[in-house]
Amino acid sequence: DIVMTQSPDSLAVSLGERATLNCKSSQSILNRSNNKNCLAWYQQKPGQPPTLLIYWASIPESGVPDRFSGSGSGTDFTLTISSLQAEDVAVYYCQQYYTTPTFGQGTKVEIK
Amino acid sequence: QVQLQESGPGLVKPSQTLSLTCTVSGDSIRSYSHYWAWIRQPAGKGLEWIGRIFATESTDYNPSLRSRVTLALDTSKNQFSLQLRSVTAADTGIYYCVRDSGLAVPRWFDRWGQGTLVTVSS
Repeated sequence: DIVMTQSPDSLAVSLGERATLNCKSSQSILNRSNNKNCLAWYQQKPGQPPTLLIYWASIPESGVPDRFSGSGSGTDFTLTISSLQAEDVAVYYCQQYYTTPTFGQGTKVEIK
Repeated sequence: QVQLQESGPGLVKPSQTLSLTCTVSGDSIRSYSHYWAWIRQPAGKGLEWIGRIFATESTDYNPSLRSRVTLALDTSKNQFSLQLRSVTAADTGIYYCVRDSGLAVPRWFDRWGQGTLVTVSS
């Protein structure tokens, strides 16, 4: 299995400030056939199921606010929230789909 | 609007079989456009992909669970189901049914049910 490791485990950011979340895969998840990275990001608010934010590492799902962006390639990926809003308090998960899907352990984002 | 809803017993005894059903509305599980999958989340932990099923009844399973898992379709009710045999306390958690955007291989999961808590305990 590909192991996904997220950092930090938790993050406290002031409203309006930038939040940077990291995700590292134990091997490259770059799909050579289409040159796209097999990585998705999800947001899970308390008591709710996860919701899809980003796929192919950088493509936002329809309806996702543009303050959320994804980047990275190979084994290292980043989810950036450009200006944190109160409604962004949640746990964020990365997921690889290069092989049998696996998820990171999550990063909890709170307001400072 | 696509919606998924899990149903089934919230309590299962050790060594018995966990059985859950997912009812889909707003999409047809008979269409050839998506796979339908199960993901679980042990209490306070991360997410684990269990497996997926297609309209043709083609299935893919997580190798770590394959020996204990069976997925099935009930196209007349637009439902799909999960059976997990020989459960232990480690199988306790929230079980989600989801829509998989991938066809040839699993991809990202773009629709999720609300989840149902299953506790394994005597």
